[in-house]
Amino acid sequence: NAGVTQTPKFQVLKTGQSMTLQCAQDMNHEYMSWYRQDPGMGLRLIHYSVGAGITDQGEVPNGYNVSRSTTEDFPLRLLSAAPSQTSVYFCASSLGGDGYTFGSGTRLTVV
Amino acid sequence: GEDVEQSLFLSVREGDSSVINCTYTDSSSTYLYWYKQEPGAGLQLLTYIFSNMDMKQDQRLTVLLNKKDKHLSLRIADTQTGDSAIYFCAEILTGNQFYFGTGTSLTVIP
Repeated sequence: NAGVTQTPKFQVLKTGQSMTLQCAQDMNHEYMSWYRQDPGMGLRLIHYSVGAGITDQGEVPNGYNVSRSTTEDFPLRLLSAAPSQTSVYFCASSLGGDGYTFGSGTRLTVV
Repeated sequence: GEDVEQSLFLSVREGDSSVINCTYTDSSSTYLYWYKQEPGAGLQLLTYIFSNMDMKQDQRLTVLLNKKDKHLSLRIADTQTGDSAIYFCAEILTGNQFYFGTGTSLTVIP
């Protein structure tokens, strides 16, 4: 099992560009989430999914879109990058109460 | 979102015990979790406790849960330099949403 795989690991974008952060898991987990981590603010939930075809907004969804066409994949799209979206992004998946398994993160810088 | 609060920093001497505290807001949380994050890495699940338990012990880790006060703590016995990391508590809400605290940065002094 590879666990949760995130790509790319690092990315620099110019303001206004769009991109997709990829996330894939091979554990047949129903639940998947995207978080961003900023200094002193912990992890904040962007979007989450409770199964294929079902997504919902978390605490900080503005500027981001998600889709869940398969159980395995949960890509995060930045529509028009802004410097405020400079952060470390984590994807995570879970079966339920036993906790989330996290990817290794994508460090995004928007200039 | 929910406010899960932790103090930001903790320093202990190697060999001492560390106690990291957390207060959460939703009394209906069924599980509460502790995660560890080493520099440049993702979060690693350390342990979790079901809400009908008061205590859980796992080797050097002891989790205490006070539901009345919505207080969760993680005690690390015989703290080692390899325990230096950021520790996050988290609660689970409806729809399997996890809400994390701000994290406590633990520094172990040799």
